[in-house]
Amino acid sequence: GQQVMQIPQYQHVQEGEDFTTYCNSSTTLSNIQWYKQRPGGHPVFLIQLVKSGEVKKQKRLTFQFGEAKKNSSLHITATQTTDVGTYFCAGRDYGGATNKLIFGTGTLLAVQP
Amino acid sequence: DAGVIQSPRHEVTEMGQEVTLRCKPISGHNSLFWYRQTMMRGLELLIYFNNNVPIDDSGMPEDRFSAKMPNASFSTLKIQPSEPRDSAVYFCASSLSVNEQFFGPGTRLTVL
Repeated sequence: GQQVMQIPQYQHVQEGEDFTTYCNSSTTLSNIQWYKQRPGGHPVFLIQLVKSGEVKKQKRLTFQFGEAKKNSSLHITATQTTDVGTYFCAGRDYGGATNKLIFGTGTLLAVQP
Repeated sequence: DAGVIQSPRHEVTEMGQEVTLRCKPISGHNSLFWYRQTMMRGLELLIYFNNNVPIDDSGMPEDRFSAKMPNASFSTLKIQPSEPRDSAVYFCASSLSVNEQFFGPGTRLTVL
């Protein structure tokens, strides 16, 4: 079945450093979504990418969707303590006539002040 | 606007007991999802409904798990009998078609 892997599993940075998490799918995706889960909280939607090669920015966050629509990345510039949490990508299978999302394994970000 | 509502927030039960988790999706959303989250297995989709109809239950672990959606504003996930390995956080999420999913606060289940 479809699998979505993320690397790294865990990253510890000093406040102000940059951070990147990578997401790779075993199958081509129709679109990809990113979610953030704070410790003890629930996943919260960040963004959706649909087009091949698409790049979107939200303040210090930059999201990319690969040309082959099988991978994606999230880059945070100058991390802050409020960025702490687990970041998940979630992909929808290309051609799938369903609303089903497959969540990635997640990357836990720790930010030291 | 109220978000997705789940109850109870915490449940501690003994092995063999029946557990029922409840979810009220956001009004107007036509898709509802049940997820389970553990350290070992991450965030797993158990089952999802579209317009109150179960579409994909391939993630339901075994016959001990069942889910229903009797109407557009209510769903239940039942585990009977419960086992210690069912201990996890169970999330309900809803969406409007293929758009973003809105997650509830989750139910933390501990089976002793």
